Amino acid sequence: GQNIDQPTEMTATEGAIVQINCTYQTSGFNGLFWYQQHAGEAPTFLSYNVLDGLEEKGRFSSFLSRSKGYSYLLLKELQMKDSASYLCAANYQAGTALIFGKGTTLSVSS
Amino acid sequence: DGGITQSPKYLFRKEGQNVTLSCEQNLNHDAMYWYRQDPGQGLRLIYYSQIVNDFQKGDIAEGYSVSREKKESFPLTVTSAQKNPTAFYLCASADPLAGGGYNEQFFGPGTRLTVL
Repeated sequence: GQNIDQPTEMTATEGAIVQINCTYQTSGFNGLFWYQQHAGEAPTFLSYNVLDGLEEKGRFSSFLSRSKGYSYLLLKELQMKDSASYLCAANYQAGTALIFGKGTTLSVSS
Repeated sequence: DGGITQSPKYLFRKEGQNVTLSCEQNLNHDAMYWYRQDPGQGLRLIYYSQIVNDFQKGDIAEGYSVSREKKESFPLTVTSAQKNPTAFYLCASADPLAGGGYNEQFFGPGTRLTVL
C-alpha cells in the first residue's frame, strides 16, 4: 500500500513556529498536497509541492524532498485560529484519489 | 459561483434504513470522490468516478453504492449492510486533465450522518 505517515497531535503557543512532518512512499509519486481542516468542516487547500525545495506562502511554507519521500508544513507566527487538523496527501496518478494521511491535530494555546 | 455542494448538512436515520447523500458540482470536473472520516482515522476512500457512467471501489466500499449518470452529480447510498454508518461524509471533485498531473481535490462541506 501507499502509506502516508504524520504525527497524530502537536501543541504550540501563540506566536511560535511549528513544523508538521509527513513521509510517503516514493514509487509513482507526482506531488504532495497539504490541506487544513477545522473541526466539522471541509478540508481547504494550503499548498502543493511537485519539485524539491521550500515554497513560502505568507505564514505557511511547505517543503518537499522527493528522494527522501519527505515533506513538512511550517507554520510561523501561530495564531489561535491555526488550531485545526492538517492533512498531508500524496498524488500518485491524475484522476485517481489522493492518498491521505490520518491528519495532525494542532492545538495552539495562548 | 462555482463549487461543490452536499446536502443535507446533518442527517439522522434509523438503523436498517438506506439513505442517499447528495453531491453536486458545477466546476465541470470529470473526477468525483466520496470519503468517510471518523475521529482519528483521516479520510478513507469509499468510491470514485473518473468519468460519467463509470466508477471504482475505494478502500471501504462495502455497504455503499454510487451512481454517476451526470457529470455534475455523484450520489452515495449508505445501505443497511454498512455495519457502522455513523460518520462524516465528504465529497470531492477534481480535474484530471489539469496540467502536469495536478490533482487538487475540491471538497464539499460534508454531511454528518447519524444512525440511531
